[in-house]
Amino acid sequence: DIQMTQSPSSLSASVGDRVTITCRASQGINNYLAWFQQKPGKVPKLLVYAASTLQSGVPSRFSGSGSGTDFTLTISSLQPEDVAVYYCQKYDGAPFTFGPGTKVDIK
Amino acid sequence: EVQLVESGGGLVQPGGSLRLSCEASGFTFSGSAMSWVRQAPGKGLEWVSALSGNGANTYHADSVKGRFTISRDNSKNTLYLQMNSLRAEDTAVYYCAKGRSWHTNTVFDYWGQGTLVTVSS
Repeated sequence: DIQMTQSPSSLSASVGDRVTITCRASQGINNYLAWFQQKPGKVPKLLVYAASTLQSGVPSRFSGSGSGTDFTLTISSLQPEDVAVYYCQKYDGAPFTFGPGTKVDIK
Repeated sequence: EVQLVESGGGLVQPGGSLRLSCEASGFTFSGSAMSWVRQAPGKGLEWVSALSGNGANTYHADSVKGRFTISRDNSKNTLYLQMNSLRAEDTAVYYCAKGRSWHTNTVFDYWGQGTLVTVSS
């Protein structure tokens, strides 16, 4: 099975900073990659799918890139409401594995 | 508006069974693959099961294969997860999620609020 890893596992940044989270698949998954945001005590929310397509209603400061095995989620200007855990997920075929998550805090 | 409402969670003893349900509305249910995802307390997301829009294709994580069965009733707009031989490690919030397409190789774009399953004696 394909394994999904994320780095870093956590980060702390200042409001307005550019934040980058990396997701790596152990084998190529084309662009079948989604990013989810889970705020404390809330349901996961889809941010990006097909590696780089922003879900409707998601602020434009979020962007995704990558293909194959290496993917990136970028927050161009971190806001206080972006405090959350971010997960990547592959969906090229079962198992639809999630990455372990990246916790983002405000410094 | 897409709505997914899970039910059926609760406290069950190890070795017991539960059936979770997810009632869907606000979209063409038979046109969407569906999935179950769980989250153990304080842990990350774990994909559990998925099935295609017509229910013909089903998939389960190795951790639940042979114990859990995903199914759907498109006439009732309802998704199910039959969970047998439950273990303590199955304790989690279980979310149902809707696919953007009828086939399972799709992103799951809307999630329900979840239902808590606790396996304990």
